Amino acid sequence: KNEVEQSPQNLTAQEGEFITINCSYSVGISALHWLQQHPGGGIVSLFMLSSGKKKHGRLIATINIQEKHSSLHITASHPRDSAVYICAVADSNYQLIWGAGTKLIIKP
Amino acid sequence: DGGITQSPKYLFRKEGQNVTLSCEQNLNHDAMYWYRQDPGQGLRLIYYSQIVNDFQKGDIAEGYSVSREKKESFPLTVTSAQKNPTAFYLCASSIWNRYRGYTFGSGTRLTVV
Repeated sequence: KNEVEQSPQNLTAQEGEFITINCSYSVGISALHWLQQHPGGGIVSLFMLSSGKKKHGRLIATINIQEKHSSLHITASHPRDSAVYICAVADSNYQLIWGAGTKLIIKP
Repeated sequence: DGGITQSPKYLFRKEGQNVTLSCEQNLNHDAMYWYRQDPGQGLRLIYYSQIVNDFQKGDIAEGYSVSREKKESFPLTVTSAQKNPTAFYLCASSIWNRYRGYTFGSGTRLTVV
């Protein structure tokens, strides 16, 4: 079993829909990251969380440490949000453990 | 602005040739990392370095080599011993002694033909 599990693996939605991507992990963590990878491959860090909730524009990330679960939400989704969203956790040694990613497609 | 520079973005090599991927950072970060990404899989750690002139193997170090002669630079050589070198390679850096997150490069996509 992978230490970081993301769901769904693939998600297709219509423009304007509210999007939720989930991440569950099984190890003790120092922090959890949400990252975005566009088709060209470059990775952009969206959020780093160790508790609670963070918001940036239309993106919201939450984490529940007790349940070892985090969610990434996108409000009013747009085709430019189409990308792979990756969850990664930093373990107690600060090493990153990566999820496999969620491929999101937003149709106009 | 501080950041990580990986070059080139796309690289093509013939089978059997060694190839070196560049990673440079101007963030004064202690630690640097190399990851490999294959389609549909999470990134996996190849090598990491916490200080100059020292580095450690990650989960998939076979067929790769690194050096850390300067704090700013952590080049990765994909040797001919690497059986499946075609992949996306990502470099990252961080402060080592306290967790403040990672900074990521833009990656190099290597294709071996």
